[in-house]
Amino acid sequence: QQQVKQSPQSLIVQKGGISIINCAYENTAFDYFPWYQQFPGKGPALLIAIRPDVSEKKEGRFTISFNKSAKQFSLHIMDSQPGDSATYFCAASTHSTGFQKLVFGTGTRLLVSP
Amino acid sequence: DGGITQSPKYLFRKEGQNVTLSCEQNLNHDAMYWYRQDPGQGLRLIYYSQIVNDFQKGDIAEGYSVSREKKESFPLTVTSAQKNPTAFYLCATRLQNSPLHFGNGTRLTVT
Repeated sequence: QQQVKQSPQSLIVQKGGISIINCAYENTAFDYFPWYQQFPGKGPALLIAIRPDVSEKKEGRFTISFNKSAKQFSLHIMDSQPGDSATYFCAASTHSTGFQKLVFGTGTRLLVSP
Repeated sequence: DGGITQSPKYLFRKEGQNVTLSCEQNLNHDAMYWYRQDPGQGLRLIYYSQIVNDFQKGDIAEGYSVSREKKESFPLTVTSAQKNPTAFYLCATRLQNSPLHFGNGTRLTVT
């Protein structure tokens, strides 16, 4: 119930292509869905986040698509660049405000080839 | 990064020894967290603290201990009871209604 399942485990995309990472959850009480980006040797950093009252959120080349009925959400990286090569984690929480305890997916290692 | 200092960056210990990982923040955030990261397993919550002198176990607290004597500090002790302590440890902080903010981690190797 508390798990967030993430796929694929790794992804190779050519420069300029679209990277797509998917996550699925079971707990319908989750109401906050962030994506984190992590470079080697660094801590994760928030990339973009969505709440279930919207189906899509876009920030620059990064878009979250959210399907509440299917309990799935995905990250799309348009015009992928070599600098996007990193590990991406989806996460979910039952508290979008107040105290927050995030449950993380297992991560996707993205490599964007030049 | 950006107000969270985890030290040292790399730490080596012999099996059977306790080791304490430091996490200091100057962000004035109330909540602090410790996560463990292993390849292919994402981030798993060890302990968290919402206020000074109060903390709760996360999902994998066995073999770990923490203290929160000051708002700025949340040290994590990896005890000899932790069966597989080698991992990347991440400290995070959060101000109410703001995103979780991570430090740059400590990589612990126990041999």
